[in-house]
Amino acid sequence: GQQLNQSPQSMFIQEGEDVSMNCTSSSIFNTWLWYKQDPGEGPVLLIALYKAGELTSNGRLTAQFGITRKDSFLNISASIPSDVGIYFCAGRSGGSNYKLTFGKGTLLTVNP
Amino acid sequence: GAGVSQSPSNKVTEKGKDVELRCDPISGHTALYWYRQSLGQGLEFLIYFQGNSAPDKSGLPSDRFSAERTGGSVSTLTIQRTQQEDSAVYLCASSRDGTGANNEQFFGPGTRLTVL
Repeated sequence: GQQLNQSPQSMFIQEGEDVSMNCTSSSIFNTWLWYKQDPGEGPVLLIALYKAGELTSNGRLTAQFGITRKDSFLNISASIPSDVGIYFCAGRSGGSNYKLTFGKGTLLTVNP
Repeated sequence: GAGVSQSPSNKVTEKGKDVELRCDPISGHTALYWYRQSLGQGLEFLIYFQGNSAPDKSGLPSDRFSAERTGGSVSTLTIQRTQQEDSAVYLCASSRDGTGANNEQFFGPGTRLTVL
């Protein structure tokens, strides 16, 4: 089946630093999504990408849909303490395919 | 409320007991999904509903797991004869419908199940 490799598994950074995480897939996806999960909560959608090469921003977050359709990255600029949480990538293989494949997550810790 | 809600938020049960987990999707969303999240893992797909039908049950781990949806709204995930390996967070999500792009899933807060 499809697999997503998400890295790094965890990051510990200082407030104000930029951070980058990425996902790679063994197969092509038509949609890439990035979610954030806070403790005790469900994942919240941050950014959705629908075209290869697409670069999309949401505030301090920027994500790109890799041109090969097999990878995506998420950047967070000028991190703040509330950025702490687990970030998940997810991919969908077709426009009419409902099923999402999730990465295992990146645990981000921001030191004030 | 406007979001997906789940109950209970926490459930502790003894091995061998049955449990029922409830999900209330966003009003008007026809598609509903159940996922399982084990410690340090990503989300594992369990089942997908379109309306009251479940065209994809492929993620249910065993026949001890079942789910139903009534009135195109509330869904219940039932785990019979619970085992310790069933301990996890069970997440529910809904989307406007199950097809097409720009039709993303919104998640509830989850039910944390602990089987002693």
